[in-house]
Amino acid sequence: SQTIHQWPATLVQPVGSPLSLECTVEGTSNPNLYWYRQAAGRGLQLLFYSVGIGQISSEVPQNLSASRPQDRQFILSSKKLLLSDSGFYLCACKTTGLREKLFFGSGTQLSVL
Amino acid sequence: DQQVKQNSPSLSVQEGRISILNCDYTNSMFDYFLWYKKYPAEGPTFLISISSIKDKNEDGRFTVFLNKSAKHLSLHIVPSQPGDSAVYFCAASSQTGANNLFFGTGTRLTVIP
Repeated sequence: SQTIHQWPATLVQPVGSPLSLECTVEGTSNPNLYWYRQAAGRGLQLLFYSVGIGQISSEVPQNLSASRPQDRQFILSSKKLLLSDSGFYLCACKTTGLREKLFFGSGTQLSVL
Repeated sequence: DQQVKQNSPSLSVQEGRISILNCDYTNSMFDYFLWYKKYPAEGPTFLISISSIKDKNEDGRFTVFLNKSAKHLSLHIVPSQPGDSAVYFCAASSQTGANNLFFGTGTRLTVIP
């Protein structure tokens, strides 16, 4: 079964600083990969998803970007963080054929101060 | 716009009793529903799902009920155990939006020994 590695677990960054969160997946090939965010008092919101290397779809306009340089690597970035970027970020993957059964990483709690 | 709603942010239940977690949705195109369980500092883990062609799905102590006319689903845990204490997320998807799961805001269940 697949394993999702996501780091760091917590991160405190000043406003205007850059961001890079990395997610790697083991135990599967050619997965769909996702970045979700949970802001305070909100549900999990899909930010980006990728169906293959270099293929990124954005669900909501924002201050963030994503990249998939390798099949099992998914990166979330920002050039300049905003206060509103604070939240709990989750990487997830779905093996082709399993409808909507996402497997999640352990998440990164980002605080922008 | 929150398409999946969990109106109870928290629920406390005595060990051995039934826990009932509720979820409402607004999009009539949703045809697949899932429940995820989340412990602190961990990513959500898949618990149970139901397709819209069914009105009930059971897996051990966990049963999900779907009422399509009311756009409502619920998760029953019987009997509740202290290890069930966690945040429970309801999620929904449609065939047309197969790359997106819409999540509720979660309900924190506390099972009192």
